[in-house]
Amino acid sequence: DTAVSQTPKYLVTQMGNDKSIKCEQNLGHDTMYWYKQDSKKFLKIMFSYNNKELIINETVPNRFSPKSPDKAHLNLHINSLELGDSAVYFCASSQGAGEFTEAFFGQGTRLTVV
Amino acid sequence: AQSVSQHNHHVILSEAASLELGCNYSYGGTVNLFWYVQYPGQHLQLLLKYFSGDPLVKGIKGFEAEFIKSKFSFNLRKPSVQWSDTAEYFCAVKNYGQNFVFGPGTRLSVLP
Repeated sequence: DTAVSQTPKYLVTQMGNDKSIKCEQNLGHDTMYWYKQDSKKFLKIMFSYNNKELIINETVPNRFSPKSPDKAHLNLHINSLELGDSAVYFCASSQGAGEFTEAFFGQGTRLTVV
Repeated sequence: AQSVSQHNHHVILSEAASLELGCNYSYGGTVNLFWYVQYPGQHLQLLLKYFSGDPLVKGIKGFEAEFIKSKFSFNLRKPSVQWSDTAEYFCAVKNYGQNFVFGPGTRLSVLP
């Protein structure tokens, strides 16, 4: 069974559209994350969420919003897509936000905005 | 805020050569340290981690890393690389209550 799963794996869409990426983890973790990996492979934290607290990276445009129906899911909604949003988006989870915890990553969603 | 630097952007080695990838972080205190590997087209997978104790940690696939607190470093090593080690390698640091902060990555190309 896949520990952290994301759908879709590939997403091609036009500028201005609204899209969502889903993420689910079956590890029983209480903290989930969204990372953006740009074309130079740099990984940048977008959000972290542990069903008590949402921490938003202040550089993330408010067109991006996480939605968590329960602690096993953290979906990413993107409004009014722009060309610069093209990247690979990784969902991850960990047990807690403290020490002695590692992050488990999903397979990634390659978003292409045309 | 915590930041992570990796010494090399792209490393090219021949099979059987030894590997050392450098990683430094900026902020001390209690840190958890990680090396992740990303094979072409795949997600990040954990190679090894340091939480506490012996500063020399061993991971999967023959990799090891040494934590040197005084140097804020966590360098990754492998005595003999294989073609299948071709991948992107990311160092990551986590302080208590903070997010995982990743370095910019080092691309390793191993020539057969």
